[in-house]
Amino acid sequence: GQNIDQPTEMTATEGAIVQINCTYQTSGFNGLFWYQQHAGEAPTFLSYNVLDGLEEKGRFSSFLSRSKGYSYLLLKELQMKDSASYLCAVRGNYQLIWGAGTKLIIKP
Amino acid sequence: DGGITQSPKYLFRKEGQNVTLSCEQNLNHDAMYWYRQDPGQGLRLIYYSQIVNDFQKGDIAEGYSVSREKKESFPLTVTSAQKNPTAFYLCASSPGGVVSNQPQHFGDGTRLSIL
Repeated sequence: GQNIDQPTEMTATEGAIVQINCTYQTSGFNGLFWYQQHAGEAPTFLSYNVLDGLEEKGRFSSFLSRSKGYSYLLLKELQMKDSASYLCAVRGNYQLIWGAGTKLIIKP
Repeated sequence: DGGITQSPKYLFRKEGQNVTLSCEQNLNHDAMYWYRQDPGQGLRLIYYSQIVNDFQKGDIAEGYSVSREKKESFPLTVTSAQKNPTAFYLCASSPGGVVSNQPQHFGDGTRLSIL
């Protein structure tokens, strides 16, 4: 079967760092996307990993370990506008498989 | 500005009625997709199209139909056969195909409710 697991909800404090994990078991792996989705809005692309290691983009970084079936999104210097859901999606052999998303709540 | 436009933003359906959700893109992307999003679940693929006049069923196509007569347009019809249509519907497009390494771009969604 195909499965992607993410925590349902996380809470963090403004200015802090948070790590959102994504584990996957899929038939085939060809890359992993992270998207941000504010409530009632469109998902927007954040990052893409296909090789092991860390990809950094400003305050956001994404890590991939293919051998462990594991990725994380690291958000630094959290801002209130980072309150959103974060979706992990894996490129399988035949389709893109989506996780249910992690709702991130930022507190002042 | 290039993008994807979905309309309407909110839609209400009566029992036994078909409704059509509009999706238009001016990104010149070949592939287009329709997803359904329910609370606590990942995006589920309804239909996708990789080229004009061709489309494929996704994981949950029953009760839905699509057409792709123009590259820019990919309307979704929710038929009366779809017994639980209340959801948030997202249209997306990408330069490559369904397993492309190019990210998908999304419209702002249509929220469909049953009267």
